[in-house]
Amino acid sequence: NAGVTQTPKFQVLKTGQSMTLQCAQDMNHNSMYWYRQDPGMGLRLIYYSASEGTTDKGEVPNGYNVSRLNKREFSLRLESAAPSQTSVYFCASSELASIQYFGAGTRLSVL
Amino acid sequence: RKEVEQDPGPFNVPEGATVAFNCTYSNSASQSFFWYRQDCRKEPKLLMSVYSSGNEDGRFTAQLNRASQYISLLIRDSKLSDSATYLCAVRGSGAGSYQLTFGKGTKLSVIP
Repeated sequence: NAGVTQTPKFQVLKTGQSMTLQCAQDMNHNSMYWYRQDPGMGLRLIYYSASEGTTDKGEVPNGYNVSRLNKREFSLRLESAAPSQTSVYFCASSELASIQYFGAGTRLSVL
Repeated sequence: RKEVEQDPGPFNVPEGATVAFNCTYSNSASQSFFWYRQDCRKEPKLLMSVYSSGNEDGRFTAQLNRASQYISLLIRDSKLSDSATYLCAVRGSGAGSYQLTFGKGTKLSVIP
């Protein structure tokens, strides 16, 4: 069972470059989330999508955009990467406001 | 006061010991509570939900104290494999009901 799949697993960018982090879930969940995790800061919510067709800002949305492509897929885009966006990014999904299941994460370094 | 607070540890305990973690939350309207486990360089995985009446799963016991706004996790007979970071998570209410707020985690090392 795949669960929540994130790609890529690792990425190195130069300042100013753009990229999209992909997330797909096969659990037929309605809700999907993007978090970042930094040492000493814990998990912080960037954006979430309560259901297909809706997206909302979380705690730290600046510098990011999201797209809920369909029920399965929720992507996170960095338009102009900055060193402050060096982090581990986790995607999660849940059946509405229930238990969240996480992907394996994407480790991003911005130089 | 931060929304969800945990003692960061580390807690270094010998095998077989009993260890307890607490997590305090500031929003009295919070609806649901969870403990997640995160191994080094891995994703968080649900350990257990926390119910009002308290709940137990093998060596793990979770409790909720709404009056004092904290949840706890008790691990009995610690195993080496219990070494990990334990995150508490709190779900808000109303417009925040889709959001989980996580504590920063408590690191546990079980020593042979």
